[in-house]
Formats: sequence, structure tokens, C-alpha cells
Amino acid sequence: DIQLTQSPSSLSASVGDRVTITCRASQSIGSFLNWYQQKPGKAPKLLIYTASTLESGVPSRFSGSGSESDYTLTITSLQPEDSATYYCQQSYTLWTFGQGTSVEI
Amino acid sequence: QVQLVQSGAEVKKPGASVKVSCKASGYTFTRYDIFWVRQAPGQGLEWIGKVNPSGGSTNYAQRFQGRVTLTSDTSTSTVYMDLSSLRSEDTAIYYCVRTYSGSYFDSWGQGTLVTVSS
Repeated sequence: DIQLTQSPSSLSASVGDRVTITCRASQSIGSFLNWYQQKPGKAPKLLIYTASTLESGVPSRFSGSGSESDYTLTITSLQPEDSATYYCQQSYTLWTFGQGTSVEI
Repeated sequence: QVQLVQSGAEVKKPGASVKVSCKASGYTFTRYDIFWVRQAPGQGLEWIGKVNPSGGSTNYAQRFQGRVTLTSDTSTSTVYMDLSSLRSEDTAIYYCVRTYSGSYFDSWGQGTLVTVSS
């Protein structure tokens, strides 16, 4: 199975900060990498798909990049409502998720 | 708008089975696969399996093979997850999720808490 490792596991940042979360796959996954945001007590929400495409309705301060086995989710100008856990997910071979990154503001 | 509405919370004893439903609306039911994903308390996300509502074909994660059955009913736009031989480690929130071409999960149900306890 393809393993996804996110870093850091948690972070604390201030409003207005730029935040970067990385996701490393155990092999190349050809941009079949998606990002989700989950707030407490809620279902995850799709943010970014195929590495860099912003889902409709998602604020433009969220962006994704990467290729092969290394991917990044960036939040520019962090907002209070961005406090959540973020997960990466691959669909290159079957489907697996990273362990999550908790963002505290 | 796309909606996936799941059945309510369940409490089961070890060794029992549970059946969770997921009713879809707001789109053409047969055009999108439905996945089931679970999340144990305080833990990450894990895919269980998927069903193609059009033909009924399924694909299960290896660790759930033999214990899970996914079915769909096109007359009611509903998919079902049946999980048997429950153990305490199966305590989790179970989500049904619509997938676009098996690539990304674009719509999620509200989740169903299944608690396994003696």
C-alpha cells in the first residue's frame, strides 16, 4: 500500500501567517493527491484535488503544489476559521490518507 | 445541491452486525461511485470500500474483506454498508462519500457513529 506521511503533525500560527503542510508519498503518485479540511464534529471537506486544482467555493488563500512523491498545501494569510485538521489523500493506487495535520490559531 | 444523508447512530455488541444507509439526492445517482470511509475516535481516515450504483460492482479494502458488504438500491438512490463480526476497534464514525471518477471525494455524508460495546 502507498503510505502518506504529513508534516508537521500539528502547528500553531497567528492570523495572517503563511502556513505550509507537506505530504510525502512512499512512491510517486503522479499528482493523484487531494487535500481535505476537517473541523471538529464535521465531515471532511474537499479543498484541493489533483495536487493543485482549487475546489469550487474554496477561498483562494488555499493552494496546492507538488509532483512525484512530494506535495504541499499552503494557506496564505491564515484566518481564524482555518483552525482545523488537514488531510492529504492519494488515489494513484487504491486510496489512502495521511495521518493529518492539526492547525491551531 | 448534492446531499448524502446517513442513518442514525448505532450501538452494537461485539460479534453483531450493523447496517448503515446513505441516501443520495441532487445528482444522477448512477453516475458516481460511493465510498465508505471511517474515522475512529481521535484518529485519521480509512477507506473501507466502494460501490458502483450503476452495476453494483464493489471493491473492498483488504482488511475488511469478508466482513463488509456494500449494496445499492437505484429505486431509492440509497447505498448500504453492512459490517459484520463487530469488535470494539470498529467503534468509529462511518462516512459515505461521493467520488469523482474514483479520484477525489467531493461530497460527504454527515457521518454515522457506530459504537461497539458489551
